[in-house]
Amino acid sequence: GENVEQHPSTLSVQEGDSAVIKCTYSDSASNYFPWYKQELGKGPQLIIDIRSNVGEKKDQRIAVTLNKTAKHFSLHITETQPEDSAVYFCAASYNTDKLIFGTGTRLQVFP
Amino acid sequence: DAGVTQSPTHLIKTRGQQVTLRCSPKSGHDTVSWYQQALGQGPQFIFQYYEEEERQRGNFPDRFSGHQFPNYSSELNVNALLLGDSALYLCASSWGHEQYFGPGTRLTVT
Repeated sequence: GENVEQHPSTLSVQEGDSAVIKCTYSDSASNYFPWYKQELGKGPQLIIDIRSNVGEKKDQRIAVTLNKTAKHFSLHITETQPEDSAVYFCAASYNTDKLIFGTGTRLQVFP
Repeated sequence: DAGVTQSPTHLIKTRGQQVTLRCSPKSGHDTVSWYQQALGQGPQFIFQYYEEEERQRGNFPDRFSGHQFPNYSSELNVNALLLGDSALYLCASSWGHEQYFGPGTRLTVT
């Protein structure tokens, strides 16, 4: 069935370093790939997304890359700050259909 | 813009009871999706409503049902609650691809 694998499950970095989270999806029909940040006690917050007709997208310190052939997509956070600490989820969907989420990555940024 | 709102924030129910959760979508959004998030896991899709009809459904039993009203708000109903239904229930609204989530309702079944 449809599946999204996400790695690593936990990631600890020093403030100012970069962080990379990777996801692999199984459904080749997927064409929309959002990333969410979830802080404790809150709902997931959409931080960036990419569609299948684009290979890379950047928004300030955050970038996402997509390799459709390999069915991989990644989140890159540069110059990390303590407030980036949260759980990050990748997801995949076909058009406006249901989102299939990864298992999450707990990112800790130490000052 | 208030964003997506959900009520109640927290809820404690006993096994076998029924529960109704509510969601108001972001202004301008016509589609509402519901997800269940167990502790330490990613959200799991329950169903999606568009134009007051269930458009898509995930792998959840018929005990889970929903409704969408003409103003696009939505309800999630769960009958015959089980201990395993304890989770954070998230509502997401959308118009197009982007789904925006509310803060969730934390349901505890005892």
